[in-house]
Formats: sequence, structure tokens, C-alpha cells
Amino acid sequence: QQQVKQSPQSLIVQKGGISIINCAYENTAFDYFPWYQQFPGKGPALLIAIRPDVSEKKEGRFTISFNKSAKQFSLHIMDSQPGDSATYFCAANSGGSNYKLTFGKGTLLTVNP
Amino acid sequence: DGGITQSPKYLFRKEGQNVTLSCEQNLNHDAMYWYRQDPGQGLRLIYYSQIVNDFQKGDIAEGYSVSREKKESFPLTVTSAQKNPTAFYLCASIASGEPTEAFFGQGTRLTVV
Repeated sequence: QQQVKQSPQSLIVQKGGISIINCAYENTAFDYFPWYQQFPGKGPALLIAIRPDVSEKKEGRFTISFNKSAKQFSLHIMDSQPGDSATYFCAANSGGSNYKLTFGKGTLLTVNP
Repeated sequence: DGGITQSPKYLFRKEGQNVTLSCEQNLNHDAMYWYRQDPGQGLRLIYYSQIVNDFQKGDIAEGYSVSREKKESFPLTVTSAQKNPTAFYLCASIASGEPTEAFFGQGTRLTVV
């Protein structure tokens, strides 16, 4: 059972363009939605995260949009740069006694110069 | 510097051997996790531990074993029962309480020879 569905699997954009990656979740107990960035051969690192009490969070060129009723959230990368080329994972977590972080399958982003 | 250290970075296993991957953290985090990463599969949870001397199976625990004798350490043993162990293994930790950032190690790439 895949609790977090991520799309697309791969994405190619031109430098300066907008990259959009989407995720959908099933478990309404999730209350923390992070995005992680991973470069080849490295561990993932937190990029940006949102909690369900807000609909949007922006940090620099990176924005998370969150739609609680649709159980969907997305990552927007504005003015995409070649250095943004990496694999991006959405994830979801909940607190309480079952503290398990569930990941989407990842999106390989390539930004062409 | 606080963080998570995984060792070794590369590991080669012969058929029928058990191997142990090390994960140490000095972040004082209660929860620790092991993920397996395969191309196109995202991060799949193997085992997790929320407290010393306690751990739970994740989604793909068969063929793996763990221990949590110390808060700082969460080693993963890949046993001979794991038929397809070649993968990139990632260890992570999270502070307890409200859901928050997961910190990852740099990974161990295990190859069966």
C-alpha cells in the first residue's frame, strides 16, 4: 500500500523555468509534509516542509502548496537552475506513538542550461 | 559537528554472508530509521526504533535484523536470507515529539559479489 504517491517520475526543464512536482497522500493522520533533495551518492537533505494549518510556504525559490481537502501537496521551484538537478522526495509523517516517515518514490529533476 | 555517520561507504558481500552496516548519531535523537533505496523505488522503510531496546519492522524487514542497545547506535545486519541485498542503504534519525526534520547519513552502498 503506497501511502504517498508522487509524480512525475522524471522531469526536464530549461534553466529559468518552473519545476512542479506533485504528491498525494491517503492517511489523514499525517500532519507534517517535508520535501527532501538528494544528490547522487548522498543522503537526502530537508529542503522545505509544511504543516496542514497553512496552504502555502515559500523559502526563496522553493514553494510548497498544500490542499488539505484534496489531500495533495506540491513543490514549485521557480527560476530553476542546473544546480537544482537532483532527485526530490515528498514525505509525510505524523506524531504520536507511531512515528514513521513515509516517502514518495521520488522525482528525478534535470535542469538544462 | 552533530550528525549521522554511516560506515562503511561501500561494502561488498559474498553470497551467503551476513554483513552489518553501522549507523551512529550524536544528535540526541530518540527515533532512528533504516531505509533501502533502489532506482525508481524511492525510500523503503526496513526497520525503525523509537526508543532504546525497542524496534519495529518496516515495510521490507524480511532478511534484515537490527538492534538498539544504545541511543546513539542503530546497526543493521543484512542476513543471507535477504535474496537481493544490492542497494543503497540510508540511516536517519528524528527528534521525538512533534514531527520534524529527519537527518540522514551519507549512505552505504552494498554490492553482492
